[in-house]
Amino acid sequence: SQQGEEDPQALSIQEGENATMNCSYKTSINNLQWYRQNSGRGLVHLILIRSNEREKHSGRLRVTLDTSKKSSSLLITASRAADTASYFCATDDNNNDMRFGAGTRLTVKP
Amino acid sequence: SQTIHQWPATLVQPVGSPLSLECTVEGTSNPNLYWYRQAAGRGLQLLFYSVGIGQISSEVPQNLSASRPQDRQFILSSKKLLLSDSGFYLCARQMGGNQPQHFGDGTRLSIL
Repeated sequence: SQQGEEDPQALSIQEGENATMNCSYKTSINNLQWYRQNSGRGLVHLILIRSNEREKHSGRLRVTLDTSKKSSSLLITASRAADTASYFCATDDNNNDMRFGAGTRLTVKP
Repeated sequence: SQTIHQWPATLVQPVGSPLSLECTVEGTSNPNLYWYRQAAGRGLQLLFYSVGIGQISSEVPQNLSASRPQDRQFILSSKKLLLSDSGFYLCARQMGGNQPQHFGDGTRLSIL
């Protein structure tokens, strides 16, 4: 069953704007991960943030984690048309499985 | 480099026919392996995972089964497909906790 829930379900922005996606979850976690999926392809890992971390950066990506609110956000700065994809959060409770949300479909218009 | 192979890329099967999807992993030993199903426009549903040869954990009761005959081979099977088995099937590997999962390119299964 799914645990993470992304918000919004769909997001459409202009190239150059920032995109923010949110994820909420329900149980305690070991870490939270964000993935990207281009249409018809497998998921690609973007960033992993551990439960004792609050913020992490990777290039134009910034992820925050608030374990008290059981939520995380993914910020993509200076978006490009090539960032168009679906983005998923996944929670890992160290029980050898991960729970994925339904995803946010991001469209970046050139 | 570590690679995950899934085949076939697309498959069209009649209702009631059997299924065998194969996933093989290169470049790593003793990975955790996973089978997911993704409906159109939706998230991933975990079907099975395996922490070692012959060890299978099932998440959802259904007419699918999984086997891991070798360390780097994970097979998804069905004796009789249902219409509801249509979807995008993804295989993934993970090297233990606090590690990312790496995915194959998936198999799109259509049941007619």
